Amino acid sequence: DVKVTQSSRYLVKRTGEKVFLECVQDMDHENMFWYRQDPGLGLRLIYFSYDVKMKEKGDIPEGYSVSREKKERFSLILESASTNQTSMYLCASSQNQPQHFGDGTRLSIL
Amino acid sequence: GENVEQHPSTLSVQEGDSAVIKCTYSDSASNYFPWYKQELGKRPQLIIDIRSNVGEKKDQRIAVTLNKTAKHFSLHITETQPEDSAVYFCAATPISGYSTLTFGKGTMLLVSP
Repeated sequence: DVKVTQSSRYLVKRTGEKVFLECVQDMDHENMFWYRQDPGLGLRLIYFSYDVKMKEKGDIPEGYSVSREKKERFSLILESASTNQTSMYLCASSQNQPQHFGDGTRLSIL
Repeated sequence: GENVEQHPSTLSVQEGDSAVIKCTYSDSASNYFPWYKQELGKRPQLIIDIRSNVGEKKDQRIAVTLNKTAKHFSLHITETQPEDSAVYFCAATPISGYSTLTFGKGTMLLVSP
């Protein structure tokens, strides 16, 4: 069974802080994704990566960056956290389709 | 890019009734259509998917139908049970390389005993 593990279920940070969200998958998948989930807006793609050190912008990349130094790990970085980045963040991985999701990180920016 | 519309946004049914959730997509190149179920506080989980060379797929009480001409696909749940209560998301993508999914905004299904 595919396991996608996100480092924190809940996180509280302050505005202006640099925030790191970590995601690890154990299935040697090529593709990894970061989404944010907000009520009424569904899942929106922030960034994705199809290989080590490769990254592509999704639909809402502003204010975020990513890092993929190893195949199994994909990090989402909030360079300077703002209150409008309070949200649920979901990581996913895939080898083609389907995508497999982690449990999510509920991030609050105060 | 792809745009996926999902209706209704909320759906309330009595236990034992059927539930239908509908999605439309814009990109005629899309050929893979998964459905995810997300229970409260849990991860989205794939419940069924369909590829464009198939018009219908069933798995016990759930089924998905696809109309490529009209660019819409639907999730059908029969004999609903309270444990079917969740948010359901449809998605669409062209399967090619590292293709990304475009999700609908979700449908909250509430099944009352």
